[in-house]
Parts: sequence; structure tokens; C-alpha cells
Amino acid sequence: DTGVSQDPRHKITKRGQNVTFRCDPISEHNRLYWYRQTLGQGPEFLTYFQNEAQLEKSRLLSDRFSAERPKGSFSTLEIQRTEQGDSAMYLCASSLGSQRGNTIYFGEGSWLTVV
Amino acid sequence: AQSVTQLGSHVSVSEGALVLLRCNYSSSVPPYLFWYVQYPNQGLQLLLKYTSAATLVKGINGFEAEFKKSETSFHLTKPSAHMSDAAEYFCAVSERGGADGLTFGKGTHLIIQP
Repeated sequence: DTGVSQDPRHKITKRGQNVTFRCDPISEHNRLYWYRQTLGQGPEFLTYFQNEAQLEKSRLLSDRFSAERPKGSFSTLEIQRTEQGDSAMYLCASSLGSQRGNTIYFGEGSWLTVV
Repeated sequence: AQSVTQLGSHVSVSEGALVLLRCNYSSSVPPYLFWYVQYPNQGLQLLLKYTSAATLVKGINGFEAEFKKSETSFHLTKPSAHMSDAAEYFCAVSERGGADGLTFGKGTHLIIQP
């Protein structure tokens, strides 16, 4: 079990630049989630995929954010024209199936600092 | 709508003392409840979860939590704190199902005094 893998772990970017994060879920997990966590807060839901279909997007996900999961395996989260308020840890998670209470496994996160 | 309130942003206990981290939830349907732990600069690790079976749930690292519907609570306890327990703890609720995402509380930072 390789767990949920995220890359890069840390990214420092200048305001206005684009950044992309990659997430590799646990093998065979069909659900994949993106969360955002800022300092002193709990994670907040951004979006999730069932296989390659993006089924829900939070209102937190502005039009500068886009997520894809083209083949139902890995996913990317792109932030365009970054702003200082985007500085946060972006967490990816995955789960198997859609049953209530299924455990969601989290990756170690990708830290974004916008300067 | 579901929500979680964690009482106390910081809790300090002595090594060997009882750990009690409080969590109250709000949910319009029978909830599924989770406790996660987060060590510095790391992701979240599941400690335990309540999925409508036994109300007393045992997790990893000696932690346990009791679901009390009448009190809408799911407090986390550990009989004897270890230094390695120092971390951030998050309570989370899933109303539509774990597959549709979790709503987290703001977290409680557990400090262990030697």
C-alpha cells in the first residue's frame, strides 16, 4: 500500500503565476477528493471525482481553480493567476466506493506559498 | 447542514494524564463521525470512526471515542497521554456519506507536558 501521494510537497510562487499539484490516489480507489487547509483551520472541501467525473465543486473553488482526473487515476489541481490568499496546504484524499462511512485516506499535502 | 464544534483550540495535559478532546456535531441525519490526527507538516491520519455500530469506538494509539446521540457529542479520550500524542486533532462529520466529503472542526492542538 503506497498510500495517497502528492507532488510537489512544497511550492513557492510569485503572485500571478500558475501552479499545478498532482495527486496519485491509492490504487483502485475510485473516489478522489481535494481539500484546502489554512493555518489554524480544519480542512475545507473543494471538489471530488468519481472515477474521471467531477461530481461536486465547492463554492470555495473559484474560476481560477480547475481540477481534472482524465483517466480516473491521478488528478491535477491547477491554480491560475495565484493570489496571496491562495497560500494554504492542498490535501488530496481517496476512498473506495460510495458507501456512507467509507474511510477517506489523506495524502501528506502540498504546501503553497504565494509571495 | 452538518457542522462540527471542537471545544478548546488548545488542550494541555501532563504525560500520563487522561486526554479528553471534545467534539459536538450538528446533523440532520444520523451521522458518521471521525477523528483524525495531524502531525506537523503532514497530512491527516484516521484515528477512529463511528458508523452506527457500537457507540464506543476504539482506535489506534490507545484512543477511543463514545458517540452520545442525546448530547450530540463524540469526545475523544485516552487514559494515559504520551509525549508522542502531541499533535493537532480534528473531528469530522459525514452526513451524505464519507464518499461525499467530510466537514471538519477547527481542530484542537494537544500539548503534552513532561
